[in-house]
Amino acid sequence: EDKVVQSPLSLVVHEGDTVTLNCSYEVTNFRSLLWYKQEKKAPTFLFMLTSSGIEKKSGRLSSILDKKELFSILNITATQTGDSAVYLCAVPNSGGSNYKLTFGKGTLLTVNP
Amino acid sequence: GAGVSQSPSNKVTEKGKDVELRCDPISGHTALYWYRQSLGQGLEFLIYFQGNSAPDKSGLPSDRFSAERTGGSVSTLTIQRTQQEDSAVYLCASSPRQGLTYEQYFGPGTRLTVT
Repeated sequence: EDKVVQSPLSLVVHEGDTVTLNCSYEVTNFRSLLWYKQEKKAPTFLFMLTSSGIEKKSGRLSSILDKKELFSILNITATQTGDSAVYLCAVPNSGGSNYKLTFGKGTLLTVNP
Repeated sequence: GAGVSQSPSNKVTEKGKDVELRCDPISGHTALYWYRQSLGQGLEFLIYFQGNSAPDKSGLPSDRFSAERTGGSVSTLTIQRTQQEDSAVYLCASSPRQGLTYEQYFGPGTRLTVT
């Protein structure tokens, strides 16, 4: 069974801090790893990672994958209060039904002014 | 353009009653997904519709749960004889095609509370 574990479960920082969120996974047949940001209810897509060691970057957010050690990190630099959200990591199902995503429980990030 | 919409946004129901949750996907999207998110848990896959193919119902937790998609567009998730453990946020997502899971666009969800 595919498994995704995120850490920490919650994190409180001050504006301007840099944070690193972790996601480790166990899948039989790795295809990709996805990061989502969930504010209120609807998750929004951030990154998809397929290749090890190649950083994906969007503004202050960046993410990298280590396929050997089976984990990914999401970095947020110069955090702002608008970054407060739950950050979800997910992997597509190992079997033929790759539309199924297995999600971690998420990291709740709170950025205080 | 319009995103995925869901209704109602909140629903409070008594244990034992039936509920219907609605999802309007993005126009033209052929794939539609339902997920459940219980308090402190990640999203749990429930069901997947793709075009006219038979849906993948493998994530439905019990036979009290059913879903349909009419005309390849709007979908309804029905929970019969609701139980307190059904309380959760139910999220719908759609994508323009099969296989590209990162292209799932999520709706705002329905928060279901069973008292």
